[in-house]
Amino acid sequence: GQQVMQIPQYQHVQEGEDFTTYCNSSTTLSNIQWYKQRPGGHPVFLIQLVKSGEVKKQKRLTFQFGEAKKNSSLHITATQTTDVGTYFCAASGDSNYQLIWGAGTKLIIKP
Amino acid sequence: NAGVTQTPKFQVLKTGQSMTLQCAQDMNHNSMYWYRQDPGMGLRLIYYSASEGTTDKGEVPNGYNVSRLNKREFSLRLESAAPSQTSVYFCASSRERGSNSNQPQHFGDGTRLSIL
Repeated sequence: GQQVMQIPQYQHVQEGEDFTTYCNSSTTLSNIQWYKQRPGGHPVFLIQLVKSGEVKKQKRLTFQFGEAKKNSSLHITATQTTDVGTYFCAASGDSNYQLIWGAGTKLIIKP
Repeated sequence: NAGVTQTPKFQVLKTGQSMTLQCAQDMNHNSMYWYRQDPGMGLRLIYYSASEGTTDKGEVPNGYNVSRLNKREFSLRLESAAPSQTSVYFCASSRERGSNSNQPQHFGDGTRLSIL
């Protein structure tokens, strides 16, 4: 079945450093969504990418969808303590209600 | 608005016991979902209901049953709980999928279930 690989599993950064997480699929994706889950919380939708090569920005967050629609990335510039949590990608193929979730990347701010 | 409400928030069961997890949404969404989340893993879809009156298996349906009671409510039942079903269970809802893209999913706070 379809799988989405997400790396890295963890990323430790100093506050103010950048953070990036990547999702990769061996098959072409119809669209990809990104979610954030705070510790002890539930996933919260951030954004959806649909078009090949699409780039969207939300303040310090930049989301990209690859030209071949097989990979995506989330980049956070100048991390803040409020960015702490786990970031998940979730993708689907065509005509499919099912989202396949990456394993998540946990952003940890070093004290 | 409450959004998606799940009950209970916590539950401990003994192996072999049965239990129903409740989920209700007040956003008039057509589609509802049940996921489980295990440590270090992403969410795995158990069952979903694309619209009222329909249910379909997801990635990990074995050991579970669901009921879409009405547009608002979607319940998940464990008929004979097993330790492997210890997990955090999330219910989610969304508008109906578009022709070429999914809709954002809105999640409840989860049920933390332990099977002894």
